[in-house]
Amino acid sequence: KAGVTQTPRYLIKTRGQQVTLSCSPISGHRSVSWYQQTPGQGLQFLFEYFSETQRNKGNFPGRFSGRQFSNSRSEMNVSTLELGDSALYLCASSSGGQTYNEQFFGPGTRLTVL
Amino acid sequence: GEDVEQSLFLSVREGDSSVINCTYTDSSSTYLYWYKQEPGAGLQLLTYIFSNMDMKQDQRLTVLLNKKDKHLSLRIADTQTGDSAIYFCADVTGTASKLTFGTGTRLQVTL
Repeated sequence: KAGVTQTPRYLIKTRGQQVTLSCSPISGHRSVSWYQQTPGQGLQFLFEYFSETQRNKGNFPGRFSGRQFSNSRSEMNVSTLELGDSALYLCASSSGGQTYNEQFFGPGTRLTVL
Repeated sequence: GEDVEQSLFLSVREGDSSVINCTYTDSSSTYLYWYKQEPGAGLQLLTYIFSNMDMKQDQRLTVLLNKKDKHLSLRIADTQTGDSAIYFCADVTGTASKLTFGTGTRLQVTL
């Protein structure tokens, strides 16, 4: 099985712009979760999409949004970029079960905001 | 909210055992994970343990869970230079897809 893919791998934007990141989960997986990793705050949960619906949400401002398509691919959007949004954005895919379900992470998209 | 803590750095000599520790605050954790992150890479799942277990062994890896003290540890036997990475513990409370990660422990393996 192919792993989780994220595009692009690297992105440079300026303050005030918006950005869209993409995540393709492992075939057959219906859940995609997004995490932000920064040196100061560590790894923080952004949100999870399951069957095209947002199922869980972390404590991030409304500038961070996402969606999931019928093929389970997910996109994450950040509007009005701030310097503090510079981070590694990781997505994880899983079967989406409500008990134990192993999450497989992609390589991440490194976003730099200038 | 839930808090997961780890020491920041550990240095061991090649061939020795490494023990990475983690403490968590939420007693309703259902299971806990250990992930490894190498430079420039995503997270690789190493192992996990259910909250009703005390110990789990998987080849060179041994996980110990003390629920009373809310303490989790990962022991790596015969540590190799390829084990140099950042190790994260993560716990799950409630929904299975939301992980709360620790701060990460950077393991340095010296010759």
